[in-house]
Amino acid sequence: ETGVTQSPTHLIKTRGQQVTLRCSSQSGHNTVSWYQQALGQGPQFIFQYYREEENGRGNFPPRFSGLQFPNYSSELNVNALELDDSALYLCASSLGGQGGANVLTFGAGSRLTVL
Amino acid sequence: AQSVTQLGSHVSVSEGALVLLRCNYSSSVPPYLFWYVQYPNQGLQLLLKYTSAATLVKGINGFEAEFKKSETSFHLTKPSAHMSDAAEYFCAVSDPGGNTPLVFGKGTRLSVIA
Repeated sequence: ETGVTQSPTHLIKTRGQQVTLRCSSQSGHNTVSWYQQALGQGPQFIFQYYREEENGRGNFPPRFSGLQFPNYSSELNVNALELDDSALYLCASSLGGQGGANVLTFGAGSRLTVL
Repeated sequence: AQSVTQLGSHVSVSEGALVLLRCNYSSSVPPYLFWYVQYPNQGLQLLLKYTSAATLVKGINGFEAEFKKSETSFHLTKPSAHMSDAAEYFCAVSDPGGNTPLVFGKGTRLSVIA
């Protein structure tokens, strides 16, 4: 079975720009969660998608948005980038619409640097 | 709100020595608890999880953790450290039933000295 793949692995943007990060979920998983991991910090929950609908959101502003497609892959979009958005963005897939007890399979992440 | 506190941002042990990584949780009811490991340039990998069954949980790579309600702790241990154990370790919590997203601690970097 394939794991979670994320693209791009690294990217550099300037303040005010927009970015799209992509995630392919593990085969058989129907739920995708996104986390932001700032340098030296633990991952923080951004939002979760289940059956193409947002199914929970953390304390992130509306300029963080997402999509889930019929094949369960997902995108994270961030508008009006700020310096503090520099982080590793992790995608995790799971089965059943729950982000806790069900085991999350994480991708290797997309490292975003905002200059 | 639930939270976890990992004591010690960096722990260094000698190869073959005991590994002890500390995690304390804050929750009004016993939660679900997890330990994840992150190797450089990789995603998070689940080591083990506590979901209200046995209080002593065994995981992969020889790691185990014990849920202690009286101490609100879920410390991770391994009897003998290997060089390959050097990584970042994260403790995480969700509500009992696992219906809420994981809340992670800040992580503990484990160094293993030859």
